Amino acid sequence: GQQLNQSPQSMFIQEGEDVSMNCTSSSIFNTWLWYKQDPGEGPVLLIALYKAGELTSNGRLTAQFGITRKDSFLNISASIPSDVGIYFCAGHLKTSYDKVIFGPGTSLSVIP
Amino acid sequence: DAGITQSPRYKITETGRQVTLMCHQTWSHSYMFWYRQDLGHGLRLIYYSAAADITDKGEVPDGYVVSRSKTENFPLTLESATRSQTSVYFCASSPRDRGEHTFGSGTRLTVV
Repeated sequence: GQQLNQSPQSMFIQEGEDVSMNCTSSSIFNTWLWYKQDPGEGPVLLIALYKAGELTSNGRLTAQFGITRKDSFLNISASIPSDVGIYFCAGHLKTSYDKVIFGPGTSLSVIP
Repeated sequence: DAGITQSPRYKITETGRQVTLMCHQTWSHSYMFWYRQDLGHGLRLIYYSAAADITDKGEVPDGYVVSRSKTENFPLTLESATRSQTSVYFCASSPRDRGEHTFGSGTRLTVV
């Protein structure tokens, strides 16, 4: 079936540093999404991207929909302790019974 | 309260018992989903529903049953629980079929 690969698997960074993570697939998607999950909670939608090449920001977060439609990246600028969590990318393909495919996640730790 | 709520938050049950996980949303979103989250597998779709009385299987539907008689409720039933169904279960809803989910806080189910 369709799978997403996320890298890195985990990151340990100093507070104030910028963060980059990406998501790749062998399949194309119509929509790319980025979610964040805090411990003990459900994932929360951060950014949704709908067109190839689209670059979208949400505060300190910036995400891009790759032009091949097979990848996406997420940047976080000037990290703060509350950025800690697991970041999931997800791809949505309208014609697939699978609906939304989630990546395995990138675990982010911020050292104050 | 507005939002999406899952109950119970924690459940321990015995092998072979039937157990139902509840999900309720107050937005009248058309789409609702059930996922399970396991280490090493990420989020996997069990069932989804596009509207009341319309449900369809996801990636891992075996051993689960859903119903959606009302738009706001989407219960998930494990007909005869097995240890392999020990997991964290998330319900989600969406106003449209583009992948933009709002997740509940999850139910942690342990089958002993």
